[in-house]
Amino acid sequence: DGGITQSPKYLFRKEGQNVTLSCEQNLNHDAMYWYRQDPGQGLRLIYYSQIVNDFQKGDIAEGYSVSREKKESFPLTVTSAQKNPTAFYLCASSIRGVWGTEAFFGQGTRLTVV
Amino acid sequence: DAKTTQPPSMDCAEGRAANLPCNHSTISGNEYVYWYRQIHSQGPQYIIHGLKNNETNEMASLIITEDRKSSTLILPHATLRDTAVYYCIVRVTGTASKLTFGTGTRLQVTL
Repeated sequence: DGGITQSPKYLFRKEGQNVTLSCEQNLNHDAMYWYRQDPGQGLRLIYYSQIVNDFQKGDIAEGYSVSREKKESFPLTVTSAQKNPTAFYLCASSIRGVWGTEAFFGQGTRLTVV
Repeated sequence: DAKTTQPPSMDCAEGRAANLPCNHSTISGNEYVYWYRQIHSQGPQYIIHGLKNNETNEMASLIITEDRKSSTLILPHATLRDTAVYYCIVRVTGTASKLTFGTGTRLQVTL
């Protein structure tokens, strides 16, 4: 079945360590997105990518980095520069260049930094 | 992308219709209205979208006003499993556009 997979579901890290969250999709989608969600809050856009080897900052990119070396993969690195990294992280993908198409979301990674 | 305004919370009795409003007064002519929902601790799920005509699918109906400045998502027979946060989004697709979410409406379906 086609879909978007995030791993792991739960992740624990010590403060000061970088951590990379995985996002893979087999939907042949061009566009991929990373969001952060805090308790009781909506989704805030971290980074998005429309094509391979290209990505743009979202609304809260500071302290995060991404890469898009393959169409299927869009990993997010939470660096030690991110002041409050504990959150629920969601990855999404969508078709680029087609009007009115929806985005598909993964099930999320809950990151806890202690 | 245009900004949307939704009530923070709503209640609905099981079996009744849930009508969730959304204001998007600055919507542009090429922006679609999308609805997603998020059940606790899961990824958002697509529900429906439309440009200017009313739309219906197996999950819901979307009513867009003639001036396109507001819309209503209708769940015709709400069940307890419809309890979730519902997000209304407007965006241009087919371009390198962001997909921006607000805080949504928390719908509580009760017995």
